[in-house]
Amino acid sequence: DSGVTQTPKHLITATGQRVTLRCSPRSGDLSVYWYQQSLDQGLQFLIQYYNGEERAKGNILERFSAQQFPDLHSELNLSSLELGDSALYFCASSVGGAGLYQETQYFGPGTRLLVL
Amino acid sequence: AQTVTQSQPEMSVQEAETVTLSCTYDTSESDYYLFWYKQPPSRQMILVIRQEAYKQQNATENRFSVNFQKAAKSFSLKISDSQLGDAAMYFCAYTAYGGSQGNLIFGKGTKLSVKP
Repeated sequence: DSGVTQTPKHLITATGQRVTLRCSPRSGDLSVYWYQQSLDQGLQFLIQYYNGEERAKGNILERFSAQQFPDLHSELNLSSLELGDSALYFCASSVGGAGLYQETQYFGPGTRLLVL
Repeated sequence: AQTVTQSQPEMSVQEAETVTLSCTYDTSESDYYLFWYKQPPSRQMILVIRQEAYKQQNATENRFSVNFQKAAKSFSLKISDSQLGDAAMYFCAYTAYGGSQGNLIFGKGTKLSVKP
């Protein structure tokens, strides 16, 4: 158990819908990262938050957005869902990641999203 | 841009034997971290081992060790005394040290099978 929690574990929805994925980082970790794992694209970085502020963006679609709340949990919002958004979405956390030094990232169990 | 390449899509090893998984990377940075993550059928991403680029000594964690060749930009993982529980996808990952972005860049993975 990495200490990072993600809910829900599985999500089945229809095209055009909107879903929210939730992540709680390890105790003491300030950075949260979101990754998407799909068969064709592999593991791709979406976005990073550090202590409530957006730190870096990767290959995140405009239909996707995220935020990190004062209690440091994070939510990833996926809207206007398409079939191709079906994937495993991981959240990871680390102590730092704010440019001073890089810490090891610990991953949550992931949310498996299926868009029908 | 940094890239990570795993040239072996699949590998197989006999139980109790030793296997080496290859990884090469490309970066212009001098300070960075390298990781191996394991993803068993449960899809959980589990940290196996971490190497800081400024350390010449190769990292070791029990049966797992790395061969880090900085000049060659090579980072292989050796698994000794392979066990059935080692069967998984193994991902090599890179992150720069001290940069504004802390995201991991992953290779496409190597699927390891362990034969009894």
